[in-house]
Amino acid sequence: AQKVTQAQTEISVVEKEDVTLDCVYETRDTTYYLFWYKQPPSGELVFLIRRNSFDEQNEISGRYSWNFQKSTSSFNFTITASQVVDSAVYFCALSGPYSGGGADGLTFGKGTHLIIQP
Amino acid sequence: KAGVTQTPRYLIKTRGQQVTLSCSPISGHRSVSWYQQTPGQGLQFLFEYFSETQRNKGNFPGRFSGRQFSNSRSEMNVSTLELGDSALYLCASSLATGGYDYTFGSGTRLTVV
Repeated sequence: AQKVTQAQTEISVVEKEDVTLDCVYETRDTTYYLFWYKQPPSGELVFLIRRNSFDEQNEISGRYSWNFQKSTSSFNFTITASQVVDSAVYFCALSGPYSGGGADGLTFGKGTHLIIQP
Repeated sequence: KAGVTQTPRYLIKTRGQQVTLSCSPISGHRSVSWYQQTPGQGLQFLFEYFSETQRNKGNFPGRFSGRQFSNSRSEMNVSTLELGDSALYLCASSLATGGYDYTFGSGTRLTVV
């Protein structure tokens, strides 16, 4: 069975601080995909990144960066110089290999509520 | 381009009633997946529809069902509502089945009283 753990339920930082959201996963699949989504108060899940299990390169996109470490089964997300608009709930998610037989669905962590104070 | 549209946005129902939620995917997307989000259980996969066929289903009772129409629009139905069915129901569309290039809608907030 797959499992995603986001141990930080809520994080509060002051604007311009750097913040890292932790994600630890469990899976028996050798091919899998990891995701991060952002959920603002409006409710929709906004896709941030997808990473496959064979690509351990870190990724940077503007103020966002992701650190994927297979050895520790972690896929952490860092926001540099945080802004008030970054306030949201962030979800880490895991899927098995893509299959034409139908999706088993993403396995989500419980989410981290990030509060950026001005 | 238009995003994923879910209607209604908010719904209040009484225990024992049934409810139907609607999801219109992005034009050209043929797969629609449904997720339930509750404070206790978090986000859980309900089912996926592709080409009018249910391709997979999560661990939910038979009271939860759905269908997909030829234009890829999907509906989900919950019968004999229970208080625990109160949740945000999110729909996600993608181009193909079995992939996860989801675009999510804003959800339908269902409250069962």
